Amino acid sequence: DTEVTQTPKHLVMGMTNKKSLKCEQHMGHRAMYWYKQKAKKPPELMFVYSYEKLSINESVPSRFSPECPNSSLLNLHLHALQPEDSALYLCASSPHSNEQFFGPGTRLTVL
Amino acid sequence: GEDVEQSLFLSVREGDSSVINCTYTDSSSTYLYWYKQEPGAGLQLLTYIFSNMDMKQDQRLTVLLNKKDKHLSLRIADTQTGDSAIYFCAERGRTGANNLFFGTGTRLTVIP
Repeated sequence: DTEVTQTPKHLVMGMTNKKSLKCEQHMGHRAMYWYKQKAKKPPELMFVYSYEKLSINESVPSRFSPECPNSSLLNLHLHALQPEDSALYLCASSPHSNEQFFGPGTRLTVL
Repeated sequence: GEDVEQSLFLSVREGDSSVINCTYTDSSSTYLYWYKQEPGAGLQLLTYIFSNMDMKQDQRLTVLLNKKDKHLSLRIADTQTGDSAIYFCAERGRTGANNLFFGTGTRLTVIP
């Protein structure tokens, strides 16, 4: 298995909902990442997990809550989001610092 | 912070070469990357170059790095319609952490 998978592919949620995005890789990579990409913009880093510990949090609002239950899984829990949080959420993993491999993304729409 | 810039658009005819340019500001960058993103999809790593190299070739792709001018380019030989996408250059974070800073992206359109 040589890819990063993300579910769901699309998600529509209201501002009062609680939902989770899921990312999975079985390549033995020990670093995993969440990025946010708005339309026509480059991806922006949100969180980095290294060896299942949160190593970087780029000042992301607390309505986004990451979780790394094991070395293959990365979740992003969403609560009380705003319409401006609508974006493509990309997960990536890397075996070491040199390369990051991205999943297909979850397109999130907040109504 | 890091500042990575690219021109927004490039159009080429099928079969021609494409050259996508990128400038960055962090002279301590150790790795520089090129990613491809097709509509509605994630990012595909195309290639990367270590900062002590000035050229890397991989099939139709050639990466040139001018460290003095902090300029990176991606040349695609014999461009095909399937190469139409957005191309992002990225540099690894200054602190050596595993974060990437992406350029603004160049939308490549290949005209049949």
